[in-house]
Amino acid sequence: EDKVVQSPLSLVVHEGDTVTLNCSYEVTNFRSLLWYKQEKKAPTFLFMLTSSGIEKKSGRLSSILDKKELFSILNITATQTGDSAIYLCAVVEYGGATNKLIFGTGTLLAVQP
Amino acid sequence: DAGVTQSPTHLIKTRGQQVTLRCSPKSGHDTVSWYQQALGQGPQFIFQYYEEEERQRGNFPDRFSGHQFPNYSSELNVNALLLGDSALYLCASSFRQAEDNSPLHFGNGTRLTVT
Repeated sequence: EDKVVQSPLSLVVHEGDTVTLNCSYEVTNFRSLLWYKQEKKAPTFLFMLTSSGIEKKSGRLSSILDKKELFSILNITATQTGDSAIYLCAVVEYGGATNKLIFGTGTLLAVQP
Repeated sequence: DAGVTQSPTHLIKTRGQQVTLRCSPKSGHDTVSWYQQALGQGPQFIFQYYEEEERQRGNFPDRFSGHQFPNYSSELNVNALLLGDSALYLCASSFRQAEDNSPLHFGNGTRLTVT
């Protein structure tokens, strides 16, 4: 059965710390991997990763994919209280004409002042 | 350019009742996907519609049904509501003919509470 597993489930850090969030997957028809940030409502898209070893970067956030070992990491440097959220990893599974997303359970990040 | 819009934002229903949730896709998109996110869980795929037909379905019972209209908007219907149906229901849209038609962007969701 296809699955996406995130770790840790939750994390508490102080402002300024660097965090690494993990996502491993077993998905038969892998197309790409996505990272989302979810605060109160809809997940907000952060990154799409398709190729191994190519880092995607946006400000203090960066992410990389390893398609051989079937995992991805999301790094956040110099954390701020505004980074507090649930971070979701999703694999895009190719379904023929269209794709669907398989999500992990998320990592709850709390950044304390 | 409006993104994905969902209505209503919140809904409270009683066990056994039926509910209809609505989604309007982003302009230019023709495919709508629905997800259920229970508290403390990641979103789970319910089903996907394009050309007014259900094309893919996740592991949800037949109480969950949908519809897509000629203008590409979609409805999610849930019959015989159970307490366990309480969740955030998310809609995402995409354009099927795009080189990458992954449904990346979500609406703000409908929070359904079943009492």
